[in-house]
Amino acid sequence: AQKITQTQPGMFVQEKEAVTLDCTYDTSDQSYGLFWYKQPSSGEMIFLIYQGSYDEQNATEGRYSLNFQKARKSANLVISASQLGDSAMYFCAMREGGAQKLVFGQGTRLTINP
Amino acid sequence: DAGVIQSPRHEVTEMGQEVTLRCKPISGHNSLFWYRQTMMRGLELLIYFNNNVPIDDSGMPEDRFSAKMPNASFSTLKIQPSEPRDSAVYFCASSFRRLAGGPEQYFGPGTRLTVT
Repeated sequence: AQKITQTQPGMFVQEKEAVTLDCTYDTSDQSYGLFWYKQPSSGEMIFLIYQGSYDEQNATEGRYSLNFQKARKSANLVISASQLGDSAMYFCAMREGGAQKLVFGQGTRLTINP
Repeated sequence: DAGVIQSPRHEVTEMGQEVTLRCKPISGHNSLFWYRQTMMRGLELLIYFNNNVPIDDSGMPEDRFSAKMPNASFSTLKIQPSEPRDSAVYFCASSFRRLAGGPEQYFGPGTRLTVT
C-alpha cells in the first residue's frame, strides 16, 4: 500500500491565488512526521515545512502552511498568494516512529500562470 | 553556510564501468542519506548513516551498489559495474538527529548519472 498519496499530478493556478496541494498518508504509528519539499526545474530539493503528529497547531512558514487533519490522515500544503517562482514539483513525505527514513509521494507539478 | 555538496554534478559512463558519487554533508550534521530519483520509481532511500555507521541499507538495489562513510564529512556511493537502468539522479541529504522535532533533511544538488 502507498504510504504517501498525492492525487494531483499537475495543477495550474493564477498568480496571486492561493493553492492547496493534497497529501494523504497511511501509518499505524502514533508518532510520525510529515514534510513538504519543493523541487524547481533546476533539480534541487528544498525543505519547506514540517508537522509532527503530536503538534496541536498547524505548521506555518511564511506563505506556506500545512493543513493537518489527523483523523483524515491528510497533510495538505497551502501556499498563499502564489508567485511565478512557486512553479515546481512539490513532494509530501513522511517519517514513521523513531525511524529517520523519509518516504516520499509521487509529487504534484504546480504551474503558476501570470 | 555551505549546504550539502555533491560531486560530480553530472556523470556519463559506459555500461560496466565503475561509478563513484561523493557527498560532503553539512558541518555538524550526524545523519547522512542517499536517495535515488527516477521517473518510474520516484524518490527512494538507498541507505542512511548515523554517526558514520550504516543504519538501514534495505533500499540498496543489489550488490553492485555500496556506500561508505569513512568520517563525518565525507561519504561515497559506488556502483560497480554500472548498468543503463542505474541512470537516475542521486541525492545526498544530511540532518541533525535529535530526540524531538523533525528533523528535516537538507538535500544536495544531486548527481545526474547516465549509463550508456
